[in-house]
Amino acid sequence: GAVVSQHPSWVICKSGTSVKIECRSLDFQATTMFWYRQFPKQSLMLMATSNEGSKATYEQGVEKDKFLINHASLTLSTLTVTSAHPEDSSFYICSASTTGLGAFQHFNEQFFGPGTRLTVL
Amino acid sequence: GEDVEQSLFLSVREGDSSVINCTYTDSSSTYLYWYKQEPGAGLQLLTYIFSNMDMKQDQRLTVLLNKKDKHLSLRIADTQTGDSAIYFCAESDTDKLIFGTGTRLQVFP
Repeated sequence: GAVVSQHPSWVICKSGTSVKIECRSLDFQATTMFWYRQFPKQSLMLMATSNEGSKATYEQGVEKDKFLINHASLTLSTLTVTSAHPEDSSFYICSASTTGLGAFQHFNEQFFGPGTRLTVL
Repeated sequence: GEDVEQSLFLSVREGDSSVINCTYTDSSSTYLYWYKQEPGAGLQLLTYIFSNMDMKQDQRLTVLLNKKDKHLSLRIADTQTGDSAIYFCAESDTDKLIFGTGTRLQVFP
């Protein structure tokens, strides 16, 4: 249980285009979803936190107009990278959490998707 | 802000023990975690420890927490080639996770 999927797993696009990445919780309802960005050989940086039905909360330095997050249901969140540029090339990882779920019985354990590698040419 | 630091690289021989270290600055951390990331994949939670604990053991994994020094370690006993990955420590006091810089563990025969 507690599986999170991401689609696509990788995408290559031209500079100036927009790319949408989906994050789905497959077997549970996620009250909160998180979006992270990971540059090569670096750590995960939290971009934003989203709760179903409300606006996402962006971390400092993350452009909300560039990285559009929609969390329309308890099982789906999307990240749209608008007008992508080569510097947006990165590994984007989502996670989903809910209360009282998980092998460790941890209150707010996050379950991570496999990631999406975005390459902007 | 919060800062979590790790050594970048660790190389061990198969069968030996691995010890990965982590230091953090946020004294209000409630939980501390160890995650494993294999190439091109997301993160897998290995174990976590509550901040009022000193040690936690889970099969081959032993977590030690020195809250006074804000130091966390992960010991992997009988390290196998399948343990080769990047290991991230992370801390949280809310729903947000703050990740360390990651330690690349390489296991050689």
